[in-house]
Order: sequence, then structure tokens, then C-alpha cells
Amino acid sequence: SAVISQKPSRDICQRGTSLTIQCQVDSQVTMMFWYRQQPGQSLTLIATANQGSEATYESGFVIDKFPISRPNLTFSTLTVSNMSPEDSSIYLCSARGRGQRGEKLFFGSGTQLSVL
Amino acid sequence: SQKIEQNSEALNIQEGKTATLTCNYTNYSPAYLQWYRQDPGRGPVFLLLIRENEKEKRKERLKVTFDTTLKQSLFHITASQPADSATYLCAAGQNGNEKLTFGTGTRLTIIP
Repeated sequence: SAVISQKPSRDICQRGTSLTIQCQVDSQVTMMFWYRQQPGQSLTLIATANQGSEATYESGFVIDKFPISRPNLTFSTLTVSNMSPEDSSIYLCSARGRGQRGEKLFFGSGTQLSVL
Repeated sequence: SQKIEQNSEALNIQEGKTATLTCNYTNYSPAYLQWYRQDPGRGPVFLLLIRENEKEKRKERLKVTFDTTLKQSLFHITASQPADSATYLCAAGQNGNEKLTFGTGTRLTIIP
């Protein structure tokens, strides 16, 4: 199975600053995604990270607020820009494997973000 | 809009009994359903996948059913153990669409 390393695991940030979260997968995967998980709520898809091109954002999420990069098949970053307390949440990187592993998602351990 | 609902926010089960978790979907015809386990401070971990043409799937003490008439999946843990305590997430997907829609999860506690 794919192993996903995500960092930082947690951070406390000041309002108005930005945080970049890194995600590294140990094997080639087809798709990479970024999710947000707020307390008591389901995982909400922010965007699909596309290799070498702009990410595909879900309704309610925009590139200016959540710029995403994916320079190669196994690495992606999510930046939470100009943060406000409403951005406090867990951010999760995930990936789909290849072949028979293709339908299930592998997840990183998440980044617990608190914005003061 | 598509909705995946897990009826119980929290469920307490006596050790050794069977835990049954429910996942219902509306405005949706998923090609498959998946179940994940999430422990505190960790990302979800895949457990089982069941397709719309499958009635039941088993893996060790886990069993999943998929009823397209009731628009429901049931997730069973038999001979439950305190180590099974976690949040369990249901997710639905379509063939040819890479995205999954997740339910809010059920927090399961197995009481010794």
C-alpha cells in the first residue's frame, strides 16, 4: 500500500499569514487530492492536484485562497493563504493507487491547523 | 444534491457483540461504497469496498452489505474488541469519476 507523509502534523498560526502543507507519497499514484475535515463534519474535497498543471477546485474553494502545486507524480503542496479562524481545521492529503489499488484512497495523517 | 448519511454519530457496543453501522445515500446511485477507519490524529484507512452488483463482502471479522433498493450499506464488526474503537467513515464513488463523497462518520466505542 502507498505511504503518505504529510507535514507539518500541526501548526498554530496568526490571522493573515499563510501556511504551506507538504505531501509526499512513497510510490507512483494516479490522483492526489486535498481534503478538509472540520470537527463533526465529513471530509470535504478541496481540490484535485494535477501534475504539472492547475488544480481542479471544488465548489466553494478557489485558487487564490488554496493554491496547490503538484510538480511530479509523488509530491504536492497545499497553501492556506491569508488565514482566518474559520480556516482552523484538519487538512488531509490523499492519493489513489495504480491498478488494483486504484479505487481506494490512501491518506496522510493530516495537518491540524489552528488560526488565532 | 448527493448525500451520504451515517445515522449514528456515536455507538457504544459491549465487547464480544456485533457492531452494526449504517450508511444511507440519497440523490445518488453509487457504483461502489467504501468503508474507512479513522483513529484520532490519523488519516482514514481503507477497510472494504463493495460494488453495486455485490450483496455482501467479508474480510476477517468485517462484513459489508449493499442494498440498492434500500439505498443503504451496513457495516458489521463481529466479536468486537476494544481495539475496534474508532470512527468509521462510509464513502461512495462512481466509475469513471475519481472523487469520493464521504459521510460524517460514526464514532464506535467497544466497552470492555
